[in-house]
Amino acid sequence: NAGVMQNPRHLVRRRGQEARLRCSPMKGHSHVYWYRQLPEEGLKFMVYLQKENIIDESGMPKERFSAEFPKEGPSILRIQQVVRGDSAAYFCASSLLGGYGYTFGSGTRLTVV
Amino acid sequence: GIQVEQSPPDLILQEGANSTLRCNFSDSVNNLQWFHQNPWGQLINLFYIPSGTKQNGRLSATTVATERYSLLYISSSQTTDSGVYFCAVAPVGSARQLTFGSGTQLTVLP
Repeated sequence: NAGVMQNPRHLVRRRGQEARLRCSPMKGHSHVYWYRQLPEEGLKFMVYLQKENIIDESGMPKERFSAEFPKEGPSILRIQQVVRGDSAAYFCASSLLGGYGYTFGSGTRLTVV
Repeated sequence: GIQVEQSPPDLILQEGANSTLRCNFSDSVNNLQWFHQNPWGQLINLFYIPSGTKQNGRLSATTVATERYSLLYISSSQTTDSGVYFCAVAPVGSARQLTFGSGTQLTVLP
């Protein structure tokens, strides 16, 4: 079992570019969650998805951020027109049942220059 | 929303010492997990423990749901135990999003 796979591990973008972060859940897991960790802070919930559906996006910024979990392929967190304040570690987690026993990936560290 | 408080915020130990980390939460939960974030930033799931007691090697955890707290015990600490320990909970009726505490920064000295 390969666990939750996130890529890339590190991503550098210039201000105004787009960032695309990918997450492949554990085999058999159909629930995916994205969290953001700003420097020196804890993790904050962003969005919860099941296959082809966004279940809860109450933690997502209203603009520039979007997420999807298609029927085939990984979940994608997309940040358009990145700004320096978007620099953070973005973690993906998956679970077998909704909300129970999360397993986290190793994260993507986004740096906006 | 639910509040999660962890204590102590920082802890420095000599290798071989024991420690207890505490997590208080403000509402009934049906999901509580302890995580270790190592110095490389990886987030390791230690325990899924909304109630009761579990042990895994030198680590054990106890959650007293009725009193809204959880404890993580680390025995015979090693330098590889260094990092940040997070408690995360989800309240009853909203089992999806975890709310994280601010963590305990543990440093184990050789």
